[in-house]
Amino acid sequence: AQSVAQPEDQVNVAEGNPLTVKCTYSVSGNPYLFWYVQYPNRGLQFLLKYITGDNLVKGSYGFEAEFNKSQTSFHLKKPSALVSDSALYFCAVRDNVNFNKFYFGSGTKLNVKP
Amino acid sequence: GAVVSQHPSRVICKSGTSVKIECRSLDFQATTMFWYRQFPKQSLMLMATSNEGSKATYEQGVEKDKFLINHASLTLSTLTVTSAHPEDSSFYICSARGASGNTGELFFGEGSRLTVL
Repeated sequence: AQSVAQPEDQVNVAEGNPLTVKCTYSVSGNPYLFWYVQYPNRGLQFLLKYITGDNLVKGSYGFEAEFNKSQTSFHLKKPSALVSDSALYFCAVRDNVNFNKFYFGSGTKLNVKP
Repeated sequence: GAVVSQHPSRVICKSGTSVKIECRSLDFQATTMFWYRQFPKQSLMLMATSNEGSKATYEQGVEKDKFLINHASLTLSTLTVTSAHPEDSSFYICSARGASGNTGELFFGEGSRLTVL
C-alpha cells in the first residue's frame, strides 16, 4: 500500500530564510508525489508534482521539491520564506492500482515569522 | 489550473435535518469527483468517489445511507448529509482530477464547514 509521512507537525522559520518541509513515502512501483497547501478554512491548493524526469521539481509561489529515490523522500523547499507562506502543507502520493485514490500525509504547519 | 467550486462554504443546521453540499467543476468536465472529510488539525480522509451517471464508491467505514452522493452531470456532484448529528460536524472538501489523465493532480473546492447543533 502507498503512504506518505510528514514527520514534523510544525516548522518555524524566519522570513527571508530558506524553508524545508519534510515528506517521506512508501510505494510499490513508481511514485507519483504531490504537494498541496491549505490556508485556514479553505480547500487545498496544488503546488507541484513529481511524475518522472528531473528530481528537482519547480512549482507555484517559488516552491520546489526534491525527489530522492534512495532516501524515499520528497521534501518541499523554498529559498526565501515569506510570512504569507504560513499555512498547512500536505504531501500526497497517488495509488498505483486505483489511480483515483490519493493518500495524504498528516500535514505540517508552517509558521513564518517576520 | 482547473477550478472547482463548492457551496455552501459554511452551514449550521439542527440535529436531525439534512444538508446538501454542491461541488462543481467550472471549466472542465469531471466524470469522477471525490469527497473528503477533514477533522480539526488532521489530514484528509477520503469518504467516497463520485461517478457521473452511476453509483458512488464508498470507502470502508463510511455509511452510504448517511452520506448520499449524486453525480447527475459532468460538472456537478452533491453530498447530502442525512439526519445530521453533532458528530457529523466537520470540514467537507470535494475534488476532481485535472485533465492530465492518470497523472493529473487533484483540484479541490474551497471546502464546506458543517456545524450540527
